[in-house]
Amino acid sequence: QSVLTQPPSVSGAPGQRVTISCTGSSSNIGAGYDVHWYQQLPGTAPKLLIYGNNNRPSGVPDRFSGSKSGTSASLAITGLQVEDEADYYCQSHDSSLSVWVFGGGTKLTVL
Amino acid sequence: EAQLVESGGGLVQPGGSLRLSCAASGFSFSSYEMNWVRQAPGKGLEWVSYISSTGNTVYYADSVKGRFTISRDNAKNSLYLQMNSLRAEDTAVYYCARAVGTDNRFDPWGQGTLVTVSS
Repeated sequence: QSVLTQPPSVSGAPGQRVTISCTGSSSNIGAGYDVHWYQQLPGTAPKLLIYGNNNRPSGVPDRFSGSKSGTSASLAITGLQVEDEADYYCQSHDSSLSVWVFGGGTKLTVL
Repeated sequence: EAQLVESGGGLVQPGGSLRLSCAASGFSFSSYEMNWVRQAPGKGLEWVSYISSTGNTVYYADSVKGRFTISRDNAKNSLYLQMNSLRAEDTAVYYCARAVGTDNRFDPWGQGTLVTVSS
């Protein structure tokens, strides 16, 4: 059971928009800690996708965006492409556990 | 370009020990905090341990506290994870990751090294 809750899977057709939610609590996201998102392509290591809630590292397409409100955060992907098929993880810090926490991950399928 | 390369994984019997290494290049290793994160087969990411840039501060996940020890050698640009009293549930790919910025995002990650605990 992950501290941060994500839907196990989402899907969309090429060109469509999908969102992935990440729900936490008052000891992590709700406490003001930043949320980061990672993309893990099949058979590879995770890669930073969004940091500080809504910032993209250089090289990440602007089709990817993040937002945060209250105890939740979201990752939005517009103009879906087949190569976006991957697992996506949110991450934050938890003050009550004094650890970094990840969501359980969401598998994106591009139909 | 910052790069991390893990090594030391393998097959070990329950109760055994293993030492993982992470070689850093392309950045000033001694200036950065570092982490270990693991991923059991077919499962999600689990943060394992953190070490400050000087090595003076360390944190562990409850699941490994008392059994794992994180350390670093800044002169060798290397991060380590000593794993003792290994259990079947420690079977996972272990990644090292650099912590960046005041928000401690993890970037980059190494390619990972597989640890299998089985008799």
